[in-house]
This record gives sequence, C-alpha cells and structure tokens, in this order.
Amino acid sequence: NAGVTQTPKFQVLKTGQSMTLQCAQDMNHEYMSWYRQDPGMGLRLIHYSVGAGITDQGEVPNGYNVSRSTTEDFPLRLLSAAPSQTSVYFCASSYSSGNEQYFGPGTRLTVT
Amino acid sequence: GQSLEQPSEVTAVEGAIVQINCTYQTSGFYGLSWYQQHDGGAPTFLSYNALDGLEETGRFSSFLSRSDSYGYLLLQELQMKDSASYFCAPGDNYGQNFVFGPGTRLSVLP
Repeated sequence: NAGVTQTPKFQVLKTGQSMTLQCAQDMNHEYMSWYRQDPGMGLRLIHYSVGAGITDQGEVPNGYNVSRSTTEDFPLRLLSAAPSQTSVYFCASSYSSGNEQYFGPGTRLTVT
Repeated sequence: GQSLEQPSEVTAVEGAIVQINCTYQTSGFYGLSWYQQHDGGAPTFLSYNALDGLEETGRFSSFLSRSDSYGYLLLQELQMKDSASYFCAPGDNYGQNFVFGPGTRLSVLP
C-alpha cells in the first residue's frame, strides 16, 4: 500500500507557465482533496472530489483546475502560474464515511 | 461564515502536560479532528471526537464540548518528538474535515 503519492516533490515555475501536480491513492477512497499551505499557516482547501466524475470548489479555487476521471487519480492544474501560488501543495484522501484524511508528502512549488 | 481559533504557540518541557485549545464556529458541525504536522512533513491524523467528552489514545487525549463550540488536545508525558504543529479541523455533515484551524506550534524543551 503506497497510500497517497504526489509528484513532483519540488517544482520551480516562471510566471505564466502552466503545469499539473499529480496525486494518486491506492486505498479506494471516495474523497480526494487538494490543499495549499503557506508558511506558518494552516491548510486551505482548493478543490475536492467526492467520487470519480464529481468535483467542487473549496476556499481558494481561483487559478486552479481539477478533474477526477478515476477513483485513484486527482491531478491539480495550474493554468497560468503566479508568484502568489508559491506554496506547499498537499493532496489528501479519505473514505466517504470517515473523518480521517490521509495526506501525501506534498509538492513544494515556487513561482518566480 | 466559519472561524477557528487556536493559540499560535505553546512551549513546554519534556515530561510535562500541555493542552492546546480550539474554538470553532462552523455550519453543519459533525465532529472535531486533530492533526499533527512536523516541520517539512505532511499532516497526520491524531484523533476524532464525534461526541462530547474525552477520547484517549495513548499519551494523547482529545476533548469536545459541542455546547461551548470548544475542544482541546491534551498531550501527556511530552517528548522532544512531540515538537510539531497541531491543527484542529471541524467535520461537516458528512464527517469530512475540509477546514483547518491556523495551527498551534508546540515546542518541547529539554
């Protein structure tokens, strides 16, 4: 069981570039979500999904897109990177009936 | 709207007991979770309170009072490895906790 995996671990982008952060889980969890964490701050929800084909916005969705074509994968797309998107991005998954989220190791993104 | 409050920092010595408080105002409250995060690491789940009262898991305990919109995490017999940030996270109607508190940074001194 690999749990929740994220790639890449580190990424540097120039303003205006686009990229996709990958997230996968092998626990057959229905729920998946993306958070960003800025230095010294808590986690803020970007987008989440309650199952394949279903996504919804969180607290800070602007500048990000998601899709969920399979139960296992939940990629996060940055459409046109901005310095304000410099952050650590965590993907998480959980059972629909559960209260425990399992987090991936994170992607540290810097936008210059 | 939603609001969550936690102390920003707490310091204690090894072997001591420390309590980290969390007050919340959310819609559709279902229960309260706690997560631990070491520097550079990912959050990991510690405990969950669905009902009022105290839940004990080894050295860690968590308490919830729905009527006061208040909970706390109690860490006993502190160890250096407990130095980390601790987040409370209220659950919604489906038990999912998508909103996290600002976090409390615990420093354990020798």
